[in-house]
Amino acid sequence: GQQVMQIPQYQHVQEGEDFTTYCNSSTTLSNIQWYKQRPGGHPVFLIQLVKSGEVKKQKRLTFQFGEAKKNSSLHITATQTTDVGTYFCASGAGSYQLTFGKGTKLSVIP
Amino acid sequence: DAGVIQSPRHEVTEMGQEVTLRCKPISGHDYLFWYRQTMMRGLELLIYFNNNVPIDDSGMPEDRFSAKMPNASFSTLKIQPSEPRDSAVYFCASSFQVGQTQYFGPGTRLLVL
Repeated sequence: GQQVMQIPQYQHVQEGEDFTTYCNSSTTLSNIQWYKQRPGGHPVFLIQLVKSGEVKKQKRLTFQFGEAKKNSSLHITATQTTDVGTYFCASGAGSYQLTFGKGTKLSVIP
Repeated sequence: DAGVIQSPRHEVTEMGQEVTLRCKPISGHDYLFWYRQTMMRGLELLIYFNNNVPIDDSGMPEDRFSAKMPNASFSTLKIQPSEPRDSAVYFCASSFQVGQTQYFGPGTRLLVL
């Protein structure tokens, strides 16, 4: 698989503040996927990025794939308590299974 | 579509007992994955199948763990004998292709006393 490192491991923010998590690799990634896992829940697919420099938005969430396809980020604008959970990036293509990052656990203080 | 189905949702057992976890993937998905999630180790891939055939079981921790997929709609993960350190959430996921979007089941929360 294609190894990915995620930072930070934990993030505590005040409600209304922005949040960003980063996913990095030493090798060029074929694609990057982002998942969200609510407390007590299971990982749920959010989005996939494939193209170099790609940017996609889902309401307050902005996903970016780096120009070199070695990093990606997920940015949440004006966090809400419903954003609480762990955000995972994952990468895989061809004959390789998805490799998940360790995740960033987001806590939102009301 | 009902999504990936796992049973049981919760399991509490005593050390030494056999535990069997079950999974029904989404119909038409050729790939099935078993994961284990703990606070310490995060989400770990245990094994995955393609068209019912085990492809990579390098993540299976010990011989106490075994997985089968007798047909396209059913898979089991068995732990025999179970130990307290096996306590974790076990997820099953399925996908159309190996590197594509995975759909996770609700998980089985296992507690071994």
